[in-house]
Amino acid sequence: QVQLQESGPGLVKPSETLSLTCTVSGASISTGYWSWIRQSPGKGLEWIGYIYYSGSTNYNPSLKSRVTISVDTSKNQFSLKLSSVTAADTALYYCARLSFSHGSSALDIWGQGTMVTVSS
Amino acid sequence: DIQMTQSPSSLSASVGDRVTITCRASQSINNYLNWYQQKPGTAPNLLIYAASRLQSGVSSRFSGSGSGTDFTLTISSLQPEDFATYYCQQSHSSPRTFGQGTKLEIK
Repeated sequence: QVQLQESGPGLVKPSETLSLTCTVSGASISTGYWSWIRQSPGKGLEWIGYIYYSGSTNYNPSLKSRVTISVDTSKNQFSLKLSSVTAADTALYYCARLSFSHGSSALDIWGQGTMVTVSS
Repeated sequence: DIQMTQSPSSLSASVGDRVTITCRASQSINNYLNWYQQKPGTAPNLLIYAASRLQSGVSSRFSGSGSGTDFTLTISSLQPEDFATYYCQQSHSSPRTFGQGTKLEIK
């Protein structure tokens, strides 16, 4: 079955760049859309953005100036970079598959999530 | 951004009860509404997409309805494994946004 697994540092210093990778197994990343979402006690679930395997992206405007999502089809991975982080970026970060059906889209498969803390 | 408001924020119920959770969008989203269930320490799990379509593998005691701005998630007969937090999410426009969640607890 399709599985997603996040990886990356759990601690990032303020003003630095948060970098996470999501490895997809059980399916080719070239089949569609892939997303990043984060969850924090203060802001609940927040959509960060998504990428199509071809490289086209869609970002949350509230984060757009700091976010880059990229894809590496050779490794079946996609990645998140969030620059100039502050304590407000401390959250549980999830990667997920965005599936389209009956004209609608939904996050049907999620990774287990990885906690990232921003602190000096 | 489209704001999604769930009610109630928390709910106590008993095994066997019929439960309804409401989600309201700040503008019409047609039927572009999804429901997720999240248990402690795990990622959200898709239950319902396109307002009323049951995700594969999800129990038929879950159902969704609504269109436009008002939506409901109904659990027909609560089972012990249903006690969790439920989120709605609109897929009408970017950025996709989520409700604040409804925590369903055992009475």
